[in-house]
Amino acid sequence: EAQVTQNPRYLITVTGKKLTVTCSQNMNHEYMSWYRQDPGLGLRQIYYSMNVEVTDKGDVPEGYKVSRKEKRNFPLILESPSPNQTSLYFCASSLLGDQGEQYFGPGTRLTVT
Amino acid sequence: AQTVTQSQPEMSVQEAETVTLSCTYDTSESDYYLFWYKQPPSRQMILVIRQEAYKQQNATENRFSVNFQKAAKSFSLKISDSQLGDAAMYFCAYRSWASGTYKYIFGTGTRLKVLA
Repeated sequence: EAQVTQNPRYLITVTGKKLTVTCSQNMNHEYMSWYRQDPGLGLRQIYYSMNVEVTDKGDVPEGYKVSRKEKRNFPLILESPSPNQTSLYFCASSLLGDQGEQYFGPGTRLTVT
Repeated sequence: AQTVTQSQPEMSVQEAETVTLSCTYDTSESDYYLFWYKQPPSRQMILVIRQEAYKQQNATENRFSVNFQKAAKSFSLKISDSQLGDAAMYFCAYRSWASGTYKYIFGTGTRLKVLA
């Protein structure tokens, strides 16, 4: 089944404790992206990647890191999480090119206390 | 920078009736893509419909259609024969068509309630 998976689905952590949210897709998509969703703000793009070893900033990259060492994986790293990073996070992937429909993962609910 | 505005935080519609969700955007680009995504209570993001800016014909997917007004920078979603399963958050999104630019801009969303 074609899908984007994220782990963990729920995470409660404390300020300053490094964490990684994994994202993996099995559709051989070149493009992968991370978003955060906050009430009243919609989805905001954090980082995106158009290919292995190629990443670029979205609108809200501060406090986040990403890496794209393999085509299928695109982990999101929070080196020192803070309470303002409490949010719902989505990973998405798509083919490059005109059609470019994004397939979204199920979301990760992160709480930083 | 591009922006996407959804001015209706919440809308209600009676089952079997028609509802229109509004979306306006701002861009200096001539070619781009516009999308409507649905997010039901399960939180899963589902693509509803897509419009390429260079196409004059409005996109249609079954009961969902758009009214794309390029000059006015307006991209509204019409849902006909509304069903209970249409109740969800709806997000309008923009993506540049320019090569090498794959940033997505989402609106703040409209929550649609469907009344039985």
